[in-house]
Amino acid sequence: EDQVTQSPEALRLQEGESSSLNCSYTVSGLRGLFWYRQDPGKGPEFLFTLYSAGEEKEKERLKATLTKKESFLHITAPKPEDSATYLCAVRDAGGTSYGKLTFGQGTILTVHP
Amino acid sequence: DADVTQTPRNRITKTGKRIMLECSQTKGHDRMYWYRQDPGLGLRLIYYSFDVKDINKGEISDGYSVSRQAQAKFSLSLESAIPNQTALYFCATSDPDRDYEQYFGPGTRLTVT
Repeated sequence: EDQVTQSPEALRLQEGESSSLNCSYTVSGLRGLFWYRQDPGKGPEFLFTLYSAGEEKEKERLKATLTKKESFLHITAPKPEDSATYLCAVRDAGGTSYGKLTFGQGTILTVHP
Repeated sequence: DADVTQTPRNRITKTGKRIMLECSQTKGHDRMYWYRQDPGLGLRLIYYSFDVKDINKGEISDGYSVSRQAQAKFSLSLESAIPNQTALYFCATSDPDRDYEQYFGPGTRLTVT
């Protein structure tokens, strides 16, 4: 069974204080790792797709990286508007036509001014 | 206007009642999904639909049923609500070629007393 574990559960940063969020996963065969952002009272919003170890994607102050066992979401010089819950999800290489997404429980990021 | 809308946004109901949560989308996507989100458990898939005639159970479908009335409409029903179905429910859509990039509605907060 696919498993996704995110750490820490919550992270509080000062504005400008860079840090990383972790997503550890166990799948039979990875067919993609995905990062989503969720603001309070809203549904998740897609951020990144990573497919293979060594791959990196960037968007503004966010950079996602992937190894064979985990992914990191690096946040450089965060601003208060980066405060949100960040969700990680994986899709396995199962035989069904739909690759089910397995989500982690999320990391709640709070950036103080 | 939002691409994915859900009604109602909040609902309080009593044990044993039948309730329906509705989802509409203007993305033109064929694929639609229902998830529930619980604190500490992440998003879990209840049902998904590839088109009007193709509906599939997700990992936690017991106690739920769905109806795909049209390409744009996908409803979730709780036939006899129970307290452990208290959760945040999300509808999502995706394009078949990028089904990992899911567009979520704002969610329905359901409380069963």
